[in-house]
Formats: sequence, C-alpha cells, structure tokens
Amino acid sequence: NAGVMQNPRHLVRRRGQEARLRCSPMKGHSHVYWYRQLPEEGLKFMVYLQKENIIDESGMPKERFSAEFPKEGPSILRIQQVVRGDSAAYFCASSPFLWTGNMNTEAFFGQGTRLTVV
Amino acid sequence: DAKTTQPTSMDCAEGRAANLPCNHSTISGNEYVYWYRQIHSQGPQYIIHGLKNNETNEMASLIITEDRKSSTLILPHATLRDTAVYYCIVRVPYSSASKIIFGSGTRLSIRP
Repeated sequence: NAGVMQNPRHLVRRRGQEARLRCSPMKGHSHVYWYRQLPEEGLKFMVYLQKENIIDESGMPKERFSAEFPKEGPSILRIQQVVRGDSAAYFCASSPFLWTGNMNTEAFFGQGTRLTVV
Repeated sequence: DAKTTQPTSMDCAEGRAANLPCNHSTISGNEYVYWYRQIHSQGPQYIIHGLKNNETNEMASLIITEDRKSSTLILPHATLRDTAVYYCIVRVPYSSASKIIFGSGTRLSIRP
C-alpha cells in the first residue's frame, strides 16, 4: 500500500506564474488535508477536503489560493500569481473516514512539495 | 489554536528512554491523543495514538492519565535518528472537525 504521494517534490516558479501541487492520498482514504510550512516555522493548516467537497478552508489565504479533490484523480492545491512569500514546503495528509472498527484513524503525511518563487 | 502544551525543547542521552510530556487539560470525551514527529524538512510521521488506555507499538508507548488531562510519549531506547520535533495533538478522527492542528511541539535532541 503506497503512502501519500506528492508531486512534484520541488517546484520553481517565477513571480506571477501559477503553481499546481498534487497529492494522491493513500488507498482507501477519502479525506485530504493541506498544510504549509514556511522556512523555520511550524506547520499551518490550510484546508480539509473530502471527495468533491471542501469541509474546512479556514486556513486558506483569501486570494490566489484554491484547492480541490475531484471524484477521480489527486487533490490539487493551486496558487495563482505566486509571490516570493509563497515560498514554503506544502504538505498534504490523508485519512480514512468510515469507521472500520480497528482504530485506523491516523492521518499519514506525504513528503511535501517545496515551492521556490524566484 | 492548538489544544496542547508541550515543553519547547528536551534532550536525552542515546540509549536511554525519552519521556515527552503533554498537557491537554481541555480535552473532550471524544477526542483522541495523537503523536507525530517531524525529522528535519521531512513530512510529519505518525507515531501513536490513544483514547484513554495506554498504547504501545514498535515505535513508542503512550501513557494517558486517568483523567485524560495529560499524556507522556515514551521512546524506550532513543537513538540519534529520533532527533526531531515531536507534536502532541488532540483530535476527533471521524468528524468534520478532524483536521490536525499543530502547536509548537517539543524539539528533542539526542546526545551521543
């Protein structure tokens, strides 16, 4: 069972370009969470999605950032018109939803995408 | 805001047990205690979780007090590879509020 897969691992964008970060959850997981970690800082929650639904986007910047988790395919975090302050590591995590009866409630994280804006 | 309080940093000698405390005095009845760690620049790694009983797995043990207001993560034989930031998190896993909120964590340094 492959873990949470994020790609690309490293992404360089010029100011004003768009960045698309992809996250494929673990098999059987229907919940995805995105986090941002600025250099030398902690992990900040951005958004929580189920398939085709945004459950909680309280940590998303109001402009330029959007996220989706379509019925088919990976979850996408999209940053439009990137600025230097968007340079950070972006992590996603996935977890199951339905109670399986065996306490498998933990969320697993990917290795992140490191975005550098030049 | 994080619902837990942890010491900012700790150190431990290699080969000894590392005991990392966490206070979660406002924990509610349906919230679990989770522990994650982040080794430099990597994605957070799940360690262990529990509701009210003590738990043990191949990585660590989790001791939860009877009133559930605090817990301790125990790494029984710390190695240099255990140097990381350790996060204690409380979370309701099966709800719309199941997002993981990270606090500042404990920076654990293992000395040779």
